[in-house]
Amino acid sequence: EPEVTQTPSHQVTQMGQEVILRCVPISNHLYFYWYRQILGQKVEFLVSFYNNEISEKSEIFDDQFSVERPDGSNFTLKIRSTKLEDSAMYFCASSVADTAFFGQGTRLTVV
Amino acid sequence: DQQVKQNSPSLSVQEGRISILNCDYTNSMFDYFLWYKKYPAEGPTFLISISSIKDKNEDGRFTVFLNKSAKHLSLHIVPSQPGDSAVYFCAASPRSSSNYKLTFGKGTLLTVNP
Repeated sequence: EPEVTQTPSHQVTQMGQEVILRCVPISNHLYFYWYRQILGQKVEFLVSFYNNEISEKSEIFDDQFSVERPDGSNFTLKIRSTKLEDSAMYFCASSVADTAFFGQGTRLTVV
Repeated sequence: DQQVKQNSPSLSVQEGRISILNCDYTNSMFDYFLWYKKYPAEGPTFLISISSIKDKNEDGRFTVFLNKSAKHLSLHIVPSQPGDSAVYFCAASPRSSSNYKLTFGKGTLLTVNP
């Protein structure tokens, strides 16, 4: 069964460093998303991406964040200068239309 | 601003009995609703969805009911099994939007006791 895959599963980084979280969406999907879940809180929308551009982003997705689809299969989230409060599980998702399928997540720990 | 609310943080039921998980929403633009199940250290797994043109959708042991006038939906699991123990998230989307962005509730931890 096709699935969304994310790497790495766990990333530890120092505050102020740049991190890139990687995702391979399901191959025939058209919409790509990043969500995050801070420990103990709900899953929050960060950004949606369609037709090679951002279609919507949340208030969380400030200038420190960027997304890219560098080739036909990968979808990346970059955090330019990480802060302690960026520590969370980051989930990539993809969809054909209205039902999103999620990856296993990357646990980002900023120290 | 909680547009999707799951007011019960946890629920405990006996194996074989019915589990009922509830969700309320405030945004009238939401017209597509989904339930996801999540185990620790894993991503949310899609369970079942319902469009606002329906009031019930069934898939095996899982049934979702939608009451649009009350802005309320519920997920029924019957019979409940120990493997159903997980966090269940309700999510909603304004389907008419172009990007199908999901707004999640805080989740309900379901524990099914053998």
